[in-house]
Amino acid sequence: EVQLVESGGGLVQPGRSMKLSCAASGFTFSNYGMAWVRQAPTKGLEWVATISYDGSSTYYRDSVKGRFTISRDNAKSTLYLQMNSLRSEDTATYYCTRDSWFAYWGQGTLVTVSS
Amino acid sequence: DVVMTQTPPSLSVAIGQSVSISCKSSQSLVYSDGKTYLHWLLQSPGRSPKRLIYQVSNLGSGVPDRFSGTGSQKDFTLKISRVEAEDLGVYYCAQTTHFPRTFGGGTKLELK
Repeated sequence: EVQLVESGGGLVQPGRSMKLSCAASGFTFSNYGMAWVRQAPTKGLEWVATISYDGSSTYYRDSVKGRFTISRDNAKSTLYLQMNSLRSEDTATYYCTRDSWFAYWGQGTLVTVSS
Repeated sequence: DVVMTQTPPSLSVAIGQSVSISCKSSQSLVYSDGKTYLHWLLQSPGRSPKRLIYQVSNLGSGVPDRFSGTGSQKDFTLKISRVEAEDLGVYYCAQTTHFPRTFGGGTKLELK
């Protein structure tokens, strides 16, 4: 059974940093591109970043470029999102998902940026 | 960016009724490999999104055949035949042909 389990969310002050993790199991993690998608409270889905299966290529939405870094550890089957210079508009539930087809989703982790 | 326009934004239906949701993209979603990476997701209340259909018309694992997807290029439709209570929630179309990936605004399916 495929499982994606996000962790690392919580309350953080504006301008500070936070790192999210997504532990994957039930499939060969190193074969798939992965993505982070977020959902602000009561809003729709918004793609954040994608990383290729081997980590050699990364893609970001404009509003997070230069602040967020997506990475992966294939030996640990884990996806990461390092978030720096956080803003109130980054407040959202962050989901990890398999890219290309959005086949599987984690339960999400809530990030609240507030003073 | 590819803009995904979903209509209607909400639908009120009776159990057993059939409904259709439209999704139109601002650019063609045909990738260089000839495939079209347009997908449909359902987010039930309080839950994570779940993929229903991938590449326009392919049913995801375990998804009932009451769901069907059609379309091409820039114009796509999700049809639900004989709506059941478990189908209620917000439906999203999504494209993974282009970067940035983009989603439709969602269609909320509610009980009449």
